[in-house]
Amino acid sequence: AQKITQTQPGMFVQEKEAVTLDCTYDTSDPSYGLFWYKQPSSGEMIFLIYQGSYDQQNATEGRYSLNFQKARKSANLVISASQLGDSAMYFCAMRGLPNSGYSTLTFGKGTMLLVSP
Amino acid sequence: SQTIHQWPATLVQPVGSPLSLECTVEGTSNPNLYWYRQAAGRGLQLLFYSVGIGQISSEVPQNLSASRPQDRQFILSSKKLLLSDSGFYLCAWAKREWQYFGPGTRLTVL
Repeated sequence: AQKITQTQPGMFVQEKEAVTLDCTYDTSDPSYGLFWYKQPSSGEMIFLIYQGSYDQQNATEGRYSLNFQKARKSANLVISASQLGDSAMYFCAMRGLPNSGYSTLTFGKGTMLLVSP
Repeated sequence: SQTIHQWPATLVQPVGSPLSLECTVEGTSNPNLYWYRQAAGRGLQLLFYSVGIGQISSEVPQNLSASRPQDRQFILSSKKLLLSDSGFYLCAWAKREWQYFGPGTRLTVL
């Protein structure tokens, strides 16, 4: 079974500073994918970044980067130069085997990020 | 481009009443479709997924059911709602690795 652990219920950061949101995972699948989603107060889940288990380099998308350490089974999200609009709930998720004909995601419990001026 | 719609956006229902939530996807064909539930302050729990018309897989046994009458339509139903059914219901579609979520339906059962 797959499991995602986010140990930080809440994080505070000042505007323009960088912040790291932790995510560890557990799976026996040889191939998997890791995702980060942002959920603002409106409730919509916004896809941020993806890392495949065989990707050699860490994924980056604008101000978001994923610090992937496969041996430690961690996939931390780094947000550089935080903005007030980054205040939201952040979820780490993992996808199972890609050739199964479908992809289902297992989500962590989330981390609430608050960015202060 | 692809878009995903859910309705209603909010719903307040009494215990024991029926439920029907609808999700439709535009701009793609034969997507995988998913229903998730998010209880207050918690992560997402996968309820159902579908890889094609009439093909439904259930992840969690409960009083909810799902149907896929058309390629891009996914419906979540219940014959009798429980208090514990309250939550935020999200529909998602997927092509390959990525899942994209709809705006969600906030359900309150009183």
